[in-house]
Amino acid sequence: DAKTTQPTSMDCAEGRAANLPCNHSTISGNEYVYWYRQIHSQGPQYIIHGLKNNETNEMASLIITEDRKSSTLILPHATLRDTAVYYCIVRVFYNNDMRFGAGTRLTVKP
Amino acid sequence: GAGVSQSPSNKVTEKGKDVELRCDPISGHTALYWYRQRLGQGLEFLIYFQGNSAPDKSGLPSDRFSAERTGESVSTLTIQRTQQEDSAVYLCASSLVSLRKRVTDTQYFGPGTRLTVL
Repeated sequence: DAKTTQPTSMDCAEGRAANLPCNHSTISGNEYVYWYRQIHSQGPQYIIHGLKNNETNEMASLIITEDRKSSTLILPHATLRDTAVYYCIVRVFYNNDMRFGAGTRLTVKP
Repeated sequence: GAGVSQSPSNKVTEKGKDVELRCDPISGHTALYWYRQRLGQGLEFLIYFQGNSAPDKSGLPSDRFSAERTGESVSTLTIQRTQQEDSAVYLCASSLVSLRKRVTDTQYFGPGTRLTVL
C-alpha cells in the first residue's frame, strides 16, 4: 500500500471547519483513500473513503486532487468531540490490513 | 444493527497465564481482523479471517498467539504464557467482502480489549 504523510498535529476553533491534509504521492490507480479517527481509548471509527471523486457524508467531506497524490478531509463545523487522532490510509480495496501511520492529532478548542 | 463488540473490555492477568479475547463481528460480515495497539502507538495487524479460515497469519508475533473463528461469526484470540510486552489494546474489526461485486470492504472496529500483564 502507498505510504501517506500527515502533519503531526493541528488545532481548530470550535465551530470552524477543520481541514486535514494527507499526501499520498505514490498512490496507484486501484488504491482507495480512507479516513478513520480514533478518540482516546476507543477503537478507530470509519469516517469516509474515496477513489478519485470527491465524497461527502454526514460526518465529513473528502477532497481528492485530480492527480490523486493528495487529499483533504474536511469537518465542516468542528466540535469539541471531534478532538481525536485522524488517520489517512491508502489501500487496495480488499487488502487484509489497514496500515495506520501516526496520523494527525486534531485538537478542537473552545 | 449492532456494531462490533469485544469482551472483556479490560483484562488484567499475571505473567505466564493464558488469556482469551473475544470478538463478535457485525452480523453478516464475512471478514474479521485482529489488531494490536500498544500505548501511544499505531495499529499492528495480527491476523485476518475470511469466513472461518485464516489465509493470512503473518502478523501473529509468536507461536504463543493463536486465533480461531467459528460459524463465520465469533472469533477468539488466545495468548498463551502471557508476557509483559503483550500488554496492549487488542482491536477487532469486521467487514463485508464481496469479490464478485467488488464491494469496498470498509472495516468497522470494536471498542477493544485492554490487556495488562503484570
